[in-house]
Parts: sequence; structure tokens; C-alpha cells
Amino acid sequence: GQNIDQPTEMTATEGAIVQINCTYQTSGFNGLFWYQQHAGEAPTFLSYNVLDGLEEKGRFSSFLSRSKGYSYLLLKELQMKDSASYLCAVRDSNYQLIWGAGTKLIIKP
Amino acid sequence: ETGVTQTPRHLVMGMTNKKSLKCEQHLGHNAMYWYKQSAKKPLELMFVYSLEERVENNSVPSRFSPECPNSSHLFLHLHTLQPEDSALYLCASSQVLGGQGRSPLHFGNGTRLTVT
Repeated sequence: GQNIDQPTEMTATEGAIVQINCTYQTSGFNGLFWYQQHAGEAPTFLSYNVLDGLEEKGRFSSFLSRSKGYSYLLLKELQMKDSASYLCAVRDSNYQLIWGAGTKLIIKP
Repeated sequence: ETGVTQTPRHLVMGMTNKKSLKCEQHLGHNAMYWYKQSAKKPLELMFVYSLEERVENNSVPSRFSPECPNSSHLFLHLHTLQPEDSALYLCASSQVLGGQGRSPLHFGNGTRLTVT
């Protein structure tokens, strides 16, 4: 079956750096997405990786290794507003999105 | 108004009620989706519409009935639901079915449904 694993919950300190990992086993691969979802709100698109390597966008970066079935989302200079759930999703060979259960990130002052 | 709008934001209904969830997208997208989001579980795809035609129905119980009258509007009709159907129901849209390149899904804020 198809599966995406990410930690259920993480805690970090304001101003610090946190890395949220995502491992996947899917039928084919056509890209990996990261979404941010604040409590009670819509998931919003953060990043997309289809080739190996690091994609940087401001304080957020996303890394992909297709051979390892692995990605991470790196958040720098953490702010209180970064407290949210982070969802990893992989587009498989049928262009279906396979979702992880999300990682709840708690930022402490 | 832009993006994807869902109404109502919250809904409490009894098991014998009939209600409908509404979704409207203002992005000119051709594909629309219904997802169910339960606590600590992955998003579950329920229905997919492309150009107003249903293209996917992921073994969803018949007590959930979708309707897509045009490419901008999507409904989810609910009847005789069970308490385990309580969840956040998210509507999403995309430029094309399945996405294209980095084209992502755009989600609404969801309807928090409680079945009593």
C-alpha cells in the first residue's frame, strides 16, 4: 500500500530552527508538496519538490531525496505564528495525492 | 472575493437531519474536490469533479451525495449521518485534474461537522 509518515507533534523555541521529516512509499512519484494548516483554517501551499535537492523560499526550505523516499521541511527563525500543522503529500503515478497525517508544530516563547 | 469559500463554517446535525455543505471557487479552476479531515488522520479524498463531471468516488457511503452544477460550485448533501461522520470537511480546487507541475490544490476553510 501507499504510505506517508511524519511525526505527530514537535515542539520548538521561538527564534530557533526546526526540521520536519516526511518519508513516503508510493506507487510512482510526480512531486511532493508541503502545506501549512493553522487550527480551524484551510491548508495553504508552502512548497513543491520534484527533483532532488533543496528549494528555499524565505525562512522555509524543503528538501527531497527520491532515492530515499524522504523529504524535510526546514523552518528558520521560528515565529509564534508558525505554530500550525504541516502536511506532507506525494503525487503518485496516477496523479493522485497521498497525504500524511500531518505534524503539529508547537512554538514556545 | 477570491479563493475557495465554504459555508457553513460549523454545522451540528442530528442523525435524521438532511443538510448540505456548499463550496464556491473564484479561481477559474476546472477540478473540485471534497476531502474529509479527522483528527490525527491523513486527508481522505471523497469525491472529485472535473469540468462538472464526477471522476472519482472513493467508496464513500451513500449518505454523502455530491453535486456539481457548474465548475465554480460544489455541494455535499448529507442525510442520516452517523456520529463517526463528525469531522472537518474540506473543499479544494485545482487548475486541472490531478494538478500540473507545481500547481497545487487550493483549499477552503472547511465545515466543522458534528453529528449528534
